Amino acid sequence: QQQVKQSPQSLIVQKGGISIINCAYENTAFDYFPWYQQFPGKGPALLIAIRPDVSEKKEGRFTISFNKSAKQFSLHIMDSQPGDSATYFCAGGGTSGSRLTFGEGTQLTVNP
Amino acid sequence: NAGVTQTPKFQVLKTGQSMTLQCAQDMNHEYMSWYRQDPGMGLRLIHYSVGAGITDQGEVPNGYNVSRSTTEDFPLRLLSAAPSQTSVYFCASSYEVPSSYNEQFFGPGTRLTVL
Repeated sequence: QQQVKQSPQSLIVQKGGISIINCAYENTAFDYFPWYQQFPGKGPALLIAIRPDVSEKKEGRFTISFNKSAKQFSLHIMDSQPGDSATYFCAGGGTSGSRLTFGEGTQLTVNP
Repeated sequence: NAGVTQTPKFQVLKTGQSMTLQCAQDMNHEYMSWYRQDPGMGLRLIHYSVGAGITDQGEVPNGYNVSRSTTEDFPLRLLSAAPSQTSVYFCASSYEVPSSYNEQFFGPGTRLTVL
């Protein structure tokens, strides 16, 4: 059973635009929601993460918005750049002992 | 620090062959895990370990064995390879269960093809 659903599967954005990737989760025991960035031929790397006691977290051009009541969270990439072209994974898990469960991934392409 | 290292980078097997994917970390992490990545399915947990001598099954453990004799190493064994095991395999580690206080680090991956 897929406990974290991610959309869209692929996304094409023009340079300077905003990229938005959405995730929905089922397990209310999750208390850790990370986003990973993966470049071709590389392993995923932690990009940004949020706890459910905050509604937004921003690090540079990357922002997570979190809606606990809807059990949804999203990644916003402002001023998207060609170097942001990668696959992005959301996940849920945390200190409750729940192992990290990943979404299906979104392949982002930022055109110059 | 080398971080998380995996060998080999690429491997081709014939159906029925066995092999071991190696994973090592030099960060003194207790928690290690193996994932497989397939198109459209994200990363799925195969097995994980919370410390030397302790392993447990993840979401898709069938056809795979693991052991954890040292803190540093966490090999993944394919007992009898099947075409369904064609995938990219990632090893990852963190001090404890991945959380806001424990970042999980991934290795570079092993691309396995089973013919």
